[in-house]
Amino acid sequence: QVQLVESGGGVVQPGRSLRLSCVGSGFTFSYSGMHWVRQAPGRGLEWVAVITHTRGNTYYADSVKGRFTVSRDSSKNTLFLQMNSLRPEDTAVYYCAKEQDYGDYRTSDSWGQGTLVTVSS
Amino acid sequence: DIQMTQSPSTLSASVGDRVTITCRASQSVRSWLAWYQQKPGKAPKLLIYKTSSLESGVPLRFSGSGSGTEFTLTISSLQPDDFATYYCQQYNNYPWTFGQGTKVEIK
Repeated sequence: QVQLVESGGGVVQPGRSLRLSCVGSGFTFSYSGMHWVRQAPGRGLEWVAVITHTRGNTYYADSVKGRFTVSRDSSKNTLFLQMNSLRPEDTAVYYCAKEQDYGDYRTSDSWGQGTLVTVSS
Repeated sequence: DIQMTQSPSTLSASVGDRVTITCRASQSVRSWLAWYQQKPGKAPKLLIYKTSSLESGVPLRFSGSGSGTEFTLTISSLQPDDFATYYCQQYNNYPWTFGQGTKVEIK
């Protein structure tokens, strides 16, 4: 059974940094593309970043490009999101999500429970 | 970026009703369109991928159709567990983009 558990959220002042973690189990972590998706309070879903399952390429939403970095430690089945220069508009629940195992194009078939990041002075 | 527009934003329906939600893309996403269900305080759940493929364990009352820029999610007979918010999502290109959501409420 696939399980994704995020951690690292909390309250942080604008301009500061935070690192989120997501530990995966029940699947071959190193073979899976992994995403971060966020949801501001009362709002819809916004894709944030991906690290691909093939070459480990990374892609980012324009809203976080240059400030956030996604990485993975496959030896520990852990996905990271390093968030720098945080802004109030980054306040959201951050979900990690695993890509499907098969398909020419793959969407996310499993999500963690999310971790809340609040950026406020 | 590809813009995804859902309609309606809110839908009031009764148990047993047939419900249809529409999703339009600002440019073709071919068949790379997914639908998610989200309940308050919970993570999204994948219902349908590649426009019409039902995710394992999802009831057969859910179906999807469309191609290119126009897509629909249909619930053939609404059940009490189906009252939730539904999102379409394109994964043809990065950045992935989601519709704004359709909240299905009890009439």
